[in-house]
Amino acid sequence: DIQMTQSPSSLSASVGDRVTITCRASRDIGNYLAWYQQKPGKVPKLLIYSASTLQSGVPSRFSGSGSGTEFTLTISSLQPEDVATFYCQKHNSAPFTFGPGTKVDVK
Amino acid sequence: QVQLVQSGADVKNPGASVKVSCKTSGYPFTFSGITWVRQAPGQGLEWMGWISPYNGHTNLEQKFQGRVTMTTDTVTDTAYLELRSLRSDDTAVYYCARDFDSGGSGYWGQGTLVTVSS
Repeated sequence: DIQMTQSPSSLSASVGDRVTITCRASRDIGNYLAWYQQKPGKVPKLLIYSASTLQSGVPSRFSGSGSGTEFTLTISSLQPEDVATFYCQKHNSAPFTFGPGTKVDVK
Repeated sequence: QVQLVQSGADVKNPGASVKVSCKTSGYPFTFSGITWVRQAPGQGLEWMGWISPYNGHTNLEQKFQGRVTMTTDTVTDTAYLELRSLRSDDTAVYYCARDFDSGGSGYWGQGTLVTVSS
């Protein structure tokens, strides 16, 4: 099975900073990658699918890029409400494995 | 609006079984797959498997094969997850989610906490 990794595992940044999270797949998954945000104590929320397509209603400061085995989630200007753990997930074929998550805090 | 409402929290003894329900509304139930994900306390998201309400086809994560059954009821638009031979490390919040054809799971249930403890 394809393994998913994320880096860093956690980060702390200031409001207004540009934040980048990387997700890597152990084999080529094309552009079949989704990103989720899970705020503390809340249900996961789909942010991006197909690597770069923003889900309806998601703020435009979130963007995704990449294909093949390396992907990035970028928050262009970090906001206090973005404190959360972010997960990538492959969605090319089962198993639809999640990455281990990246915890984002605001300084 | 689309809603997925799950059954309430449950406490089980080791070795027992649990069945979690996921009642859907607001969309044609057979048009989208249902994914089950779990999250142990303080841990990340774990994909368990997927079921098509259209034809009942399932695809399970290998580690759950033989211990998990996913089913759907197209009369009540409800999906079910049954987990057998429970162990303490099955203690987790279990989520159902509606899949999008374009990829990803766009609507989630509120989660069901299953605690396995003697």
